[in-house]
Amino acid sequence: GEDVEQSLFLSVREGDSSVINCTYTDSSSTYLYWYKQEPGAGLQLLTYIFSNMDMKQDQRLTVLLNKKDKHLSLRIADTQTGDSAIYFCAELDRGSTLGRLYFGRGTQLTVWP
Amino acid sequence: DSGVTQTPKHLITATGQRVTLRCSPRSGDLSVYWYQQSLDQGLQFLIHYYNGEERAKGNILERFSAQQFPDLHSELNLSSLELGDSALYFCASSVEGLSDTQYFGPGTRLTVL
Repeated sequence: GEDVEQSLFLSVREGDSSVINCTYTDSSSTYLYWYKQEPGAGLQLLTYIFSNMDMKQDQRLTVLLNKKDKHLSLRIADTQTGDSAIYFCAELDRGSTLGRLYFGRGTQLTVWP
Repeated sequence: DSGVTQTPKHLITATGQRVTLRCSPRSGDLSVYWYQQSLDQGLQFLIHYYNGEERAKGNILERFSAQQFPDLHSELNLSSLELGDSALYFCASSVEGLSDTQYFGPGTRLTVL
């Protein structure tokens, strides 16, 4: 669970869809999370998915999980300037450090008007 | 607002000093987690307490210690501070600390001069 990888930057135009990608390493069943961090603020939980699911939708957010490739994505529909932030993917450790979250480095999403 | 509170919001101190960061979990949550966010290391898990007892330890330096009190609030003590300890320190809480969702506080920004 130590290697959670994300691309660092994504730019989109307002109204377009954004897709933020993440890969993880834990082969056991686990929870995967998306958090949002705005400048100077804490981490806001956006959504999560259990690793036996393929997809979860919550209003403008869609999470897709490819278990075979250990690939997780977050799609934001109709992206707005207020969505500009850093998005973190996190994997829950259900092993020796139960409860620990492993975070990716974060994807800086910039939305252009 | 996640319901997790952290004080102080900002802390500026000198090398060699000792500071205490405080966290109050959401009402009803028994688990408290501490994370450090720095530019070079990203978001790193430090330690997890459940109902007053240490449950898991991550990349926490020996100069750092934590505890959780009977009223469930937690304190993170950082001593013999070095320039490299400058970071954002987050506290998170969850109901049990097994596979449940962690909610993050706004963080304490520590600057060591």
